[in-house]
Amino acid sequence: DIQMTQSPSALSASVGDRVTITCRASQSISGWLAWYQQKPGKAPKLLIYRASSLESGVPSRFSGSGYGTEFTLSISSLQPDDFASYYCQHYNSYSNMYTFGQGTKLEI
Amino acid sequence: QVQLVQSGAEVKKPGASVKVSCKASGYTFTDYDVHWVRQAPGQGLEWMGWINPNSGGAKSAQKFQGRVTMTRDTSVNTVYMELSRLRSDDTALYFCARIRSGYSNYGLDVWGQGTTVTVSS
Repeated sequence: DIQMTQSPSALSASVGDRVTITCRASQSISGWLAWYQQKPGKAPKLLIYRASSLESGVPSRFSGSGYGTEFTLSISSLQPDDFASYYCQHYNSYSNMYTFGQGTKLEI
Repeated sequence: QVQLVQSGAEVKKPGASVKVSCKASGYTFTDYDVHWVRQAPGQGLEWMGWINPNSGGAKSAQKFQGRVTMTRDTSVNTVYMELSRLRSDDTALYFCARIRSGYSNYGLDVWGQGTTVTVSS
């Protein structure tokens, strides 16, 4: 099975900061990666799909990049609403299965 | 508007089964696969499986194989996830979410509100 490892697991930042979250795959996954934001007790929200495509309605301060085994989610200028947990998610086209990373909690 | 509405909270005893429903509206039900994801208290997201409402074909994560059954009723635009032989560590918030069929790399774009399942003796 392909393992997805996110880092860091927690991150402290301030409004206006630029932050980057990394997701590493145990083997190449091409560009089969999505990113989600989740607030406590709420459903996740899709931010990025196909590694770098911005979901409709998501602010442009969010961006995704990467290919193969290393991927990043960047937030260019943190807003108060951005303090949440973030998850990467891989789709395995061979097994038709999905895997989430363990998550990154972004705190003030 | 496009939405997935899940059934209400459940409390079950160990060894019992639970069936959670997810009703779709605002889009063509058979055009989108429905996935199930759960989150134990204080933990991360865990993918459970998915169903294609058009064919009824389903696939589950290896961890849940033999315990989870996903079905659909196209007459009421609803998918169901049944988890059997419940244990205390199945206590979690269960979500359904959709993805356009055949576009599996496009992310889960609409989510249900979540259903709390508590397993306790």
